[in-house]
Amino acid sequence: DAKTTQPNSMESNEEEPVHLPCNHSTISGTDYIHWYRQLPSQGPEYVIHGLTSNVNNRMASLAIAEDRKSSTLILHRATLRDAAVYYCILRDEYNTDKLIFGTGTRLQVFP
Amino acid sequence: EAGVTQFPSHSVIEKGQTVTLRCDPISGHDNLYWYRRVMGKEIKFLLHFVKESKQDESGMPNNRFLAERTGGTYSTLKVQPAELEDSGVYFCASSQDLGGHGELFFGEGSRLTVL
Repeated sequence: DAKTTQPNSMESNEEEPVHLPCNHSTISGTDYIHWYRQLPSQGPEYVIHGLTSNVNNRMASLAIAEDRKSSTLILHRATLRDAAVYYCILRDEYNTDKLIFGTGTRLQVFP
Repeated sequence: EAGVTQFPSHSVIEKGQTVTLRCDPISGHDNLYWYRRVMGKEIKFLLHFVKESKQDESGMPNNRFLAERTGGTYSTLKVQPAELEDSGVYFCASSQDLGGHGELFFGEGSRLTVL
């Protein structure tokens, strides 16, 4: 399974933008880049995903490097509710449907 | 529309006893997954159903774990007999689409404590 590397933790102040990096140097051409997050005492929650182009939705933006070996999840204005563990996951289009969770990045948001 | 629901939210049992966890996926979702997180570890995949069939059960730890999905609707995960190392949070997820661009919807999890 393709691997991702994320920092263990990051901090932000409320209302500031947050850039969460992810390295996936062994990504294959059929891998989608997915981001999930897990709030305290809840199950994982889908955030966003992309293949090659940058993506925006109501929760976040996903910036994908031109060579696809890294990506960045962008929270435009962090809120206290965004404090969670964020997981960057590669998902093969053809091989399997399961998600492989790593250790993720624990984001702390300060008021 | 109701999300993925899991029952019970917390179960405390003694070593050697049996526990059955239930998951109700989102209506119409053919794909159902079980995951678990044991203390201090990452979230690990257990198995994947497509309707009532087991598509992938490569993550099931041993034969003390039995998952079923009769009729392709809700699923149960039975642990018999439970061991101390089975303590953790068991998550269920469902999805409609197969493939790399599909989104999984997770339940809030069932916490299992084995004493």
